[in-house]
Amino acid sequence: DQQVKQNSPSLSVQEGRISILNCDYTNSMFDYFLWYKKYPAEGPTFLISISSIKDKNEDGRFTVFLNKSAKHLSLHIVPSQPGDSAVYFCAAILNSGGYQKVTFGTGTKLQVIP
Amino acid sequence: NAGVTQTPKFQVLKTGQSMTLQCAQDMNHNSMYWYRQDPGMGLRLIYYSASEGTTDKGEVPNGYNVSRLNKREFSLRLESAAPSQTSVYFCASSEGRAGGNTIYFGEGSWLTVV
Repeated sequence: DQQVKQNSPSLSVQEGRISILNCDYTNSMFDYFLWYKKYPAEGPTFLISISSIKDKNEDGRFTVFLNKSAKHLSLHIVPSQPGDSAVYFCAAILNSGGYQKVTFGTGTKLQVIP
Repeated sequence: NAGVTQTPKFQVLKTGQSMTLQCAQDMNHNSMYWYRQDPGMGLRLIYYSASEGTTDKGEVPNGYNVSRLNKREFSLRLESAAPSQTSVYFCASSEGRAGGNTIYFGEGSWLTVV
């Protein structure tokens, strides 16, 4: 049972435009949601997070939106830059029994075209 | 800061051989994790250690063993490698439930079993 889903395996966007990456989840008990960026041959790096009690968090060009009723979150990158080309993973954290259980989506490969 | 360091970076094994992936973190984190990444599968949790002295199975533990040697170190052992274990392995750590909601990754270990 895939609790965190990224249904778009890839996305192409023109430089300067907005990139919107989507993520759906099934467990309404998740406490936090995170987005990670991964370049080839490197480990995932943390990008931005949002608490389940918030609906928006912004950090520079990156904004994450959370729609709890739809169990959906999205990452907006504005404006998109060629250096943003990478695989983006969404992840959800469940705090349970003294442990943070982290579940990742399958990733979306973003290509920003110059 | 080194963050999360894992070794080796690359390894080729023959079927049936054993090996240990080493991981250390210098952030005084309580929780540590081992993930594997396969095409189209995202990041799947193999084993985790919520705190020093405890380890638990994740989503795909078969064929692996772990040791939380101390607070800093968490190793992953393949007792008898199989071609299905060809993957990229990531070690990660987080503060744990007491604080923080971010998980930090190492740079990955590329393992090929022939």
